[in-house]
Amino acid sequence: DAGITQSPRHKVTETGTPVTLRCHQTENHRYMYWYRQDPGHGLRLIHYSYGVKDTDKGEVSDGYSVSRSKTEDFLLTLESATSSQTSVYFCAIRASGDEQFFGPGTRLTVL
Amino acid sequence: KNQVEQSPQSLIILEGKNCTLQCNYTVSPFSNLRWYKQDTGRGPVSLTIMTFSENTKSNGRYTATLDADTKQSSLHITASQLSDSASYICVVGSNSGAGSYQLTFGKGTKLSVIP
Repeated sequence: DAGITQSPRHKVTETGTPVTLRCHQTENHRYMYWYRQDPGHGLRLIHYSYGVKDTDKGEVSDGYSVSRSKTEDFLLTLESATSSQTSVYFCAIRASGDEQFFGPGTRLTVL
Repeated sequence: KNQVEQSPQSLIILEGKNCTLQCNYTVSPFSNLRWYKQDTGRGPVSLTIMTFSENTKSNGRYTATLDADTKQSSLHITASQLSDSASYICVVGSNSGAGSYQLTFGKGTKLSVIP
């Protein structure tokens, strides 16, 4: 699992509330990614980071923000959760040879 | 637009049988192609990764092939086991330089192996 953990693993929240998901890695990788996975879609990139305080948008970044204040942690924030953000969220790191390793996922339900 | 198409969408096979999953892609520029296995409720796990110059790669009972000319890949599973029941995702990497690196994911093939 390349030392990747995600927290929480499950969360139920209400529309309009802020939500923060955490990804933690133990192997000092530079690149970290947040994806969402929905039925009928492949994994879609939300945001990624290429270093501390260096982040960029992916294809589905609207409604999401990220922060990376230290190498090991990459946070994904939904400022005001909507039902369309109900999904499974995966964090990933990029290792040598462009290999990507994924975390166990966070299942988020927005009511 | 970069796209990865997988077929079939789902597949049911008997334990012990072989099967082949297909992946067609239109991704440019092409860097590599990966196959991932995703068990229900878990994150994807890499099975193989192939670059342009590789046309086959094995990982135990899993063998991936790549035809870069036709932009097709297949994943062959030999002597299937119940634990092979999962979704298999084809992913194509594209590196256009200047730090721009992108993965395009297929929607996956859901494989069910039954006794």
